[in-house]
Amino acid sequence: QVQLQESGPGLVKPSQTLSLTCSVSGGTISSGENYWSWIRQPPGKGLEWIGYIYYSGSTHYNPSLKSRVSISVDTSKNHFSLKLSSVTAADTAVYFCARMDRKSWVSTDWFDPWGQGILVTVSS
Amino acid sequence: QSVLTQPPSVSGAPGQRVTISCTGSSSNIGAGYDVHWYQQLPGTAPKVLIYGNNNGPSGVPDRFSGSKSGTSASLAITGLQAEDEADYYCQSYDSSLSAWVFGGGTKLTVL
Repeated sequence: QVQLQESGPGLVKPSQTLSLTCSVSGGTISSGENYWSWIRQPPGKGLEWIGYIYYSGSTHYNPSLKSRVSISVDTSKNHFSLKLSSVTAADTAVYFCARMDRKSWVSTDWFDPWGQGILVTVSS
Repeated sequence: QSVLTQPPSVSGAPGQRVTISCTGSSSNIGAGYDVHWYQQLPGTAPKVLIYGNNNGPSGVPDRFSGSKSGTSASLAITGLQAEDEADYYCQSYDSSLSAWVFGGGTKLTVL
């Protein structure tokens, strides 16, 4: 079964770029069966979808973050990555990666499974 | 402020039935986009409970059920157990925002 694992620095300085990687095991990104997403959750708050990537490199970002977000994929390493630029304290959150699951008779994808999440704190 | 509106909290005694509402608009649930529900236990990642409005993945107890009508959806939990104490989130797609969206979350307390 597919498992995801986030990795990267847990502390980023304001105005710098947050960089995270999601490693996928038990499945292959290049199969093309799914899209792969990043989602974040500020401490004590709700969930926010950041964006997705397809194995081909095609992306779609949340318009609220689009100007600062970049998601890339490395199929040879079976992982995908997130970059969020010009971070502020408001970007402090647990960042999750997740597979977007789908069935032909369901109109929109859901997220399953999720990685365990990684807390990224923006502070000087 | 979340695009999908959920009550901040609900509670119930063991064995009781509780429902959690998720209210959207004409650009998401009302536009026909399906609703999915997640359970997030403290300190863990969300786990899908219901997909496609009313389908439970294998391994999820049938005490959990979902429904959708108009611009709203609901999650029902019957036979409440202490282990159900968690945060619950609804999720759909919004065509105006061109984004996958979540509710603000509901904290379930088992009394």
